[in-house]
Amino acid sequence: EADIYQTPRYLVIGTGKKITLECSQTMGHDKMYWYQQDPGMELHLIHYSYGVNSTEKGDLSSESTVSRIRTEHFPLTLESARPSHTSQYLCASSEGYGGDPNEKLFFGSGTQLSVL
Amino acid sequence: AQKITQTQPGMFVQEKEAVTLDCTYDTSDPSYGLFWYKQPSSGEMIFLIYQGSYDQQNATEGRYSLNFQKARKSANLVISASQLGDSAMYFCAMRDQGGSEKLVFGKGTKLTVNP
Repeated sequence: EADIYQTPRYLVIGTGKKITLECSQTMGHDKMYWYQQDPGMELHLIHYSYGVNSTEKGDLSSESTVSRIRTEHFPLTLESARPSHTSQYLCASSEGYGGDPNEKLFFGSGTQLSVL
Repeated sequence: AQKITQTQPGMFVQEKEAVTLDCTYDTSDPSYGLFWYKQPSSGEMIFLIYQGSYDQQNATEGRYSLNFQKARKSANLVISASQLGDSAMYFCAMRDQGGSEKLVFGKGTKLTVNP
C-alpha cells in the first residue's frame, strides 16, 4: 500500500491568492512527480524531482513552482491563483534508478483545486 | 516521441462478464514499460498491472491480465469476472528509456459495470 499523502483534498480559493499544495511520502523514494489532470482527461506531468535540491519542469507548461528541501516532501506553489488553474493535482513517487522503464509510480489521493 | 492511444472513451459490461480495454502505443525505443492504472471517482490512481517490453509472457494480476502484442504495439487490459467496484476510469501509460523519468498517459476509458 502506498504511503503518499496530499493535503488538502479539496481547495476552493479566490483569484490572486497564493496557495501551496502539500505532498509527503514515507517510502524514502528519491523521485517525486506532480501531474495535472482536468476532469475526464489524461494526466500531464508538470514537475518532477530526482531527489533533494533537484526540480525539473515536465511536459505541460505550468505557472506553478516546486521545491524539494527534504526527501519526503515535495510541495507545489501557485503564487497567484487564477480560474485557469482549476484542476486536479496528483502527486506521485517512485524508487527506481536511472530511468528504469519498470518503475511503478505510487500516487496520492490528489488535490481538487477550484479557483473562483 | 512517446504516444499512448486509448480509442474507447467509454465501455459498458455486465457484472461477472469479461471486458477488454484497448491501448496502443508508439515508441522507437526497444526498452519500455507499459502500465495500467485505475482511477475511481474518488480520484486516486491505483496501479493494476505492468508489462515490460522484454517480458516473454503476458502479465497477470488476479482478475487483470495484459494482452501484449508487441508487433502490433498493443497492450490491452482484460478484466475477468467484472464487479460493480470495477466501475472507474482506466488509464494506459508508458515509460521508455528515451523518455527517462516520464510516465506518459493515454486519455483513459471510462468503464461502467452494470448489475
